Amino acid sequence: GAVVSQHPSRVICKSGTSVKIECRSLDFQATTMFWYRQFPKQSLMLMATSNEGSKATYEQGVEKDKFLINHASLTLSTLTVTSAHPEDSSFYICSAQNRLPETQYFGPGTRLLVL
Amino acid sequence: GENVEQHPSTLSVQEGDSAVIKCTYSDSASNYFPWYKQELGKGPQLIIDIRSNVGEKKDQRIAVTLNKTAKHFSLHITETQPEDSAVYFCAASIPKSLDKYIFGTGTRLKVLA
Repeated sequence: GAVVSQHPSRVICKSGTSVKIECRSLDFQATTMFWYRQFPKQSLMLMATSNEGSKATYEQGVEKDKFLINHASLTLSTLTVTSAHPEDSSFYICSAQNRLPETQYFGPGTRLLVL
Repeated sequence: GENVEQHPSTLSVQEGDSAVIKCTYSDSASNYFPWYKQELGKGPQLIIDIRSNVGEKKDQRIAVTLNKTAKHFSLHITETQPEDSAVYFCAASIPKSLDKYIFGTGTRLKVLA
């Protein structure tokens, strides 16, 4: 299957700092990448959809100025959590989508802890 | 909008028994239904998927069935093993919305040795 990597796997930061998470599709070109957030023992919540070279589409209730998404190439998307606060602590997961078929392949996730 | 319900939320089976997880969806336009397995602290891993033009698909011990009329699909795992223990998520693709997925709430499967 297709491989998607995320970096870092976990990060601890102080409140008020910004954190950048990278998502890469290693063996295929992803026309679309998705960013999810997952709280303990809960399902995946879609935050935004990212297409290469265009602005991300955010889900209702997700602040675009808080969660900056850049999709610089067909293999790389980044999520920056700006001015992080303890309530931003969560498990962030990206996925990359093959166009044919439209299967999403998930990265291993990034655990963010904001102190 | 699309809604996906998943049952049961937890499931315990004896090793060697079968496990069945069921999902229902609301949007008849959904045409792609993947199943993911998520182990603790890891990202979801695709285990099987099915498209709306197919009623059943099988891959070794795993099978998925789809009833378009009733708008439900199910995951079947036979001869369960302890390593099958994980959280399983179903999803439905929304073609009108850039192929976004709507996920079910997850099923925590425990296979008892």
